[in-house]
Amino acid sequence: QKEVEQDPGPLSVPEGAIVSLNCTYSNSAFQYFMWYRQYSRKGPELLMYTYSSGNKEDGRFTAQVDKSSKYISLFIRDSQPSDSATYLCAMSVTGANSKLTFGKGITLSVRP
Amino acid sequence: EAGVAQSPRYKIIEKRQSVAFWCNPISGHATLYWYQQILGQGPKLLIQFQNNGVVDDSQLPKDRFSAERLKGVDSTLKIQPAKLEDSAVYLCASSPRTGGGETQYFGPGTRLLVL
Repeated sequence: QKEVEQDPGPLSVPEGAIVSLNCTYSNSAFQYFMWYRQYSRKGPELLMYTYSSGNKEDGRFTAQVDKSSKYISLFIRDSQPSDSATYLCAMSVTGANSKLTFGKGITLSVRP
Repeated sequence: EAGVAQSPRYKIIEKRQSVAFWCNPISGHATLYWYQQILGQGPKLLIQFQNNGVVDDSQLPKDRFSAERLKGVDSTLKIQPAKLEDSAVYLCASSPRTGGGETQYFGPGTRLLVL
């Protein structure tokens, strides 16, 4: 079992749809949970960041972490064509020198 | 603030040749990372530097890959000799400090194709 599993894609939705992206993980020591967005031929950029459990909202984006289920989600409301990208979940433990473990990524396409 | 710079952006070589990638992190960032991203997969950490010291190179194929960070700033990643399975995007990232939860800032990557 991989440390981080991400729902397979690709995913295509119409503009304005609500999008749900999910990851599961096996390492209960993970405390930091992130979502990176990667446009084609670009490097990943941090989109959302959550420490431990709970929800975090930023504009149209909401990140949820359920540590009891080892499950994280990213919701995108009122999706736009500009949201078309690959979304990567990433996690790390606390402590110095800890590293990010990424999911495989899911490619989202928002149709106008 | 200038972002992470990488060069070249694209490289095509034949197997068994050598190749080198260069990275200039964000000014003042102590930690530098090299990742390998194979098509359809997430980035995999190859090596992490804190200033000019290696923090983690556990997933670096040391028989063919090497990396250095000169004077704690720029870094070079080398592959010698290259194999077909090294075809990937090589991403460099930097962060102000090391440690869990630190935001990493990624460069645009170097796309390597090994024929």
